[in-house]
Amino acid sequence: GNSVTQMEGPVTLSEEAFLTINCTYTATGYPSLFWYVQYPGEGLQLLLKATKADDKGSNKGFEATYRKETTSFHLEKGSVQVSDSAVYFCALISGGSYIPTFGRGTSLIVHP
Amino acid sequence: KAGVTQTPRYLIKTRGQQVTLSCSPISGHRSVSWYQQTPGQGLQFLFEYFSETQRNKGNFPGRFSGRQFSNSRSEMNVSTLELGDSALYLCASSLGHRDHRVGVQFFGPGTRLTVL
Repeated sequence: GNSVTQMEGPVTLSEEAFLTINCTYTATGYPSLFWYVQYPGEGLQLLLKATKADDKGSNKGFEATYRKETTSFHLEKGSVQVSDSAVYFCALISGGSYIPTFGRGTSLIVHP
Repeated sequence: KAGVTQTPRYLIKTRGQQVTLSCSPISGHRSVSWYQQTPGQGLQFLFEYFSETQRNKGNFPGRFSGRQFSNSRSEMNVSTLELGDSALYLCASSLGHRDHRVGVQFFGPGTRLTVL
């Protein structure tokens, strides 16, 4: 079956530091990949997505590249801000499924 | 366009009681999914409704049930509440198409259920 593995959190960084949150997946066929973000007290919201190998999704300074050879979709940002503190979820959809498979989420804490 | 709304936002119940949560999807969205989020288990899929029919179901006991109305609004019901049902219940809506767009889900802010 499909699965998504994310790095354990929390990830704690100082403002302006470089961010990487690792995500690897197992899926049938050719999945589409997503990153969602959940700010405190809110639901999840889509951050970026990529639908085929070598695609790069980007939004709000965040980027992730769909790497089929390593089955990975790592999230990166060059310079984090305090306002980026949130929980980040990697997800995939494949095989004609209607339901995304989510990772367990990685908490990011950014200090001033 | 209004987002996904969930009511109530907070709920406190005691063991053995039952509860009904409501979700109004984005206009035009025909698919509504429900998730349970806890610190220990993360985000777990409960069920998905599309055009008033349950199309997918997760691994939860029969105490958890749902339905969808003709206007796509959805409700979920939990009967005989247990302490372990305390969680944030999230509703998400999507177009429901059988392609990558179904992975684009729009979440509501959730209902925080506390069972005492």
